[in-house]
Amino acid sequence: GQSLEQPSEVTAVEGAIVQINCTYQTSGFYGLSWYQQHDGGAPTFLSYNALDGLEETGRFSSFLSRSDSYGYLLLQELQMKDSASYFCAVRAVSGGYNKLIFGAGTRLAVHP
Amino acid sequence: NAGVTQTPKFRVLKTGQSMTLLCAQDMNHEYMYWYRQDPGMGLRLIHYSVGEGTTAKGEVPDGYNVSRLKKQNFLLGLESAAPSQTSVYFCASSYSSAGVADTQYFGPGTRLTVL
Repeated sequence: GQSLEQPSEVTAVEGAIVQINCTYQTSGFYGLSWYQQHDGGAPTFLSYNALDGLEETGRFSSFLSRSDSYGYLLLQELQMKDSASYFCAVRAVSGGYNKLIFGAGTRLAVHP
Repeated sequence: NAGVTQTPKFRVLKTGQSMTLLCAQDMNHEYMYWYRQDPGMGLRLIHYSVGEGTTAKGEVPDGYNVSRLKKQNFLLGLESAAPSQTSVYFCASSYSSAGVADTQYFGPGTRLTVL
């Protein structure tokens, strides 16, 4: 079957660095995406990795290891506004259709 | 561009009532999706569409129907609402289903309570 695992909660302080891990089990893997969702808001796209390695976008970076079925989101210079839920997602073929499968999300709390 | 819009934003139904949720996108995207999000869970795909006039079942389709008569609109219907359908519903759209073009753009959500 298809599954993704990520920690349910992470806590960090302003200015620190935090890493959110995601392991996945799926068939027909095409790539790993990350989405951010603030409380009461809609998910918004952060990053996408199709190949092994690190992708950097400002304070956020995302890493993928296809051989380990593992990826992570790295957030640097944390700010209070980074407090949100972060979802990893993989596109996979399941039950004959192609869909984006989301993890349950990691709630990040940034404290002063 | 408004992106993806959803109406209504909030709704309270009684068990057995019906309703339709409307999703509209102005990005000329081919793909559109309906998800539900429940506390402590990720997004679960209800139905999706790969183009005007086409729809397909997702992960949790029971109790829902959809239609995509126009490319920019994707409707989600509940024929006989049940308390188990209390959730936040998100619509999303994407240019395609592959690679970075698969980036999904989400609407603001509809918070539905079924009593």
